[in-house]
Amino acid sequence: EAGVAQSPRYKIIEKRQSVAFWCNPISGHATLYWYQQILGQGPKLLIQFQNNGVVDDSQLPKDRFSAERLKGVDSTLKIQPAKLEDSAVYLCASSLEAGSYEQYFGPGTRLTVT
Amino acid sequence: AQKVTQAQTEISVVEKEDVTLDCVYETRDTTYYLFWYKQPPSGELVFLIRRNSFDEQNEISGRYSWNFQKSTSSFNFTITASQVVDSAVYFCALSAGTYKYIFGTGTRLKVLA
Repeated sequence: EAGVAQSPRYKIIEKRQSVAFWCNPISGHATLYWYQQILGQGPKLLIQFQNNGVVDDSQLPKDRFSAERLKGVDSTLKIQPAKLEDSAVYLCASSLEAGSYEQYFGPGTRLTVT
Repeated sequence: AQKVTQAQTEISVVEKEDVTLDCVYETRDTTYYLFWYKQPPSGELVFLIRRNSFDEQNEISGRYSWNFQKSTSSFNFTITASQVVDSAVYFCALSAGTYKYIFGTGTRLKVLA
């Protein structure tokens, strides 16, 4: 069974530029999560999708971050414009359903904003 | 409010020593789920175990064991006879209420040869 795929693996941009990350979850997983992990910290949930609907985006900085999950499968996370403090690893995870199920994580995208 | 506390920021042990990673959680919900994940140097988080709030049985899987105690709101993780490959950051997580996942800040384990 294929795992969670993410691309790109690394990205370096200048502040005020825009960037997009892509995630393909495990087939059949209804729930998809985007996390931001700053060096030395635990993952922070940015947005959670159940199929193609948003369940929780309370910690998503909506003035600059946006995300969508097309047809309840792939998802993209966009930052526009980027700030220095957005430098982090962006993790995508999926689970069968929300709540009680374990999450499976992708390798992450390491973003450096200069 | 829900919270997960991993007070140990970093632990160093010598190979073959036993080590326990602490996790303390807070929630007002009676139904909740606790998890442990491992993040090796490669960076990809790996699921280790899930426990629901109605099952306080301890669990052992090879060199890994977990001790869940509702009375102290703790879900501790013990590695017996640690190995260098156990070196990683370990995260405890809680899912409760509207099933928001909350991760602790992690404990970095260094196993020295």
